[in-house]
Amino acid sequence: GESVGLHLPTLSVQEGDNSIINCAYSNSASDYFIWYKQESGKGPQFIIDIRSNMDKRQGQRVTVLLNKTVKHLSLQIAATQPGDSAVYFCAENMGYGNKLVFGAGTILRVKS
Amino acid sequence: KAGVTQTPRYLIKTRGQQVTLSCSPISGHRSVSWYQQTPGQGLQFLFEYFSETQRNKGNFPGRFSGRQFSNSRSEMNVSTLELGDSALYLCASSLALASETQYFGPGTRLLVL
Repeated sequence: GESVGLHLPTLSVQEGDNSIINCAYSNSASDYFIWYKQESGKGPQFIIDIRSNMDKRQGQRVTVLLNKTVKHLSLQIAATQPGDSAVYFCAENMGYGNKLVFGAGTILRVKS
Repeated sequence: KAGVTQTPRYLIKTRGQQVTLSCSPISGHRSVSWYQQTPGQGLQFLFEYFSETQRNKGNFPGRFSGRQFSNSRSEMNVSTLELGDSALYLCASSLALASETQYFGPGTRLLVL
């Protein structure tokens, strides 16, 4: 089914290093993609989004790259900080209103 | 501007009971979506409401229902609760209906015993 969440991959990085979190999406017709951060006990928090007519978008310390050829998204976090430790989800909008299909998530652990 | 609010934050119910969860969107947002989050299935879309009408529905049984009021506030209801309904129920709001950024509330943690 959609968004099967099984064993979440974990990315461990040293504080100050850059992090890259990857995501494969499912539908080539998807036109809008979002990255969310979820901390324990909280709802997903919007980080950055990108539309299908772009291949790169930058925010504050974050960059999202979109490769439509291979249906791949990545989130780059510069100078990773302990406060970045969380589960990160990519989500795609297939064009049915605002319905999002979520990836399984990646746990980011930042070591001080 | 206040974020999405959900009440209650925690609920404990027993099998067979029903439950109603409430969501108040960000002021000015007219679309409200609901998601279920479990460790086994991740985040799954339940339904979306816009202008008091259900616009999209996910693959959940009819025991899951919702509605939206004229002030855009939304409620979801789960009838005849099952153990597997234990989950974090998340509400998200967005300005309009098409491919808009969704902002999530803190969720309601439901435990079914």
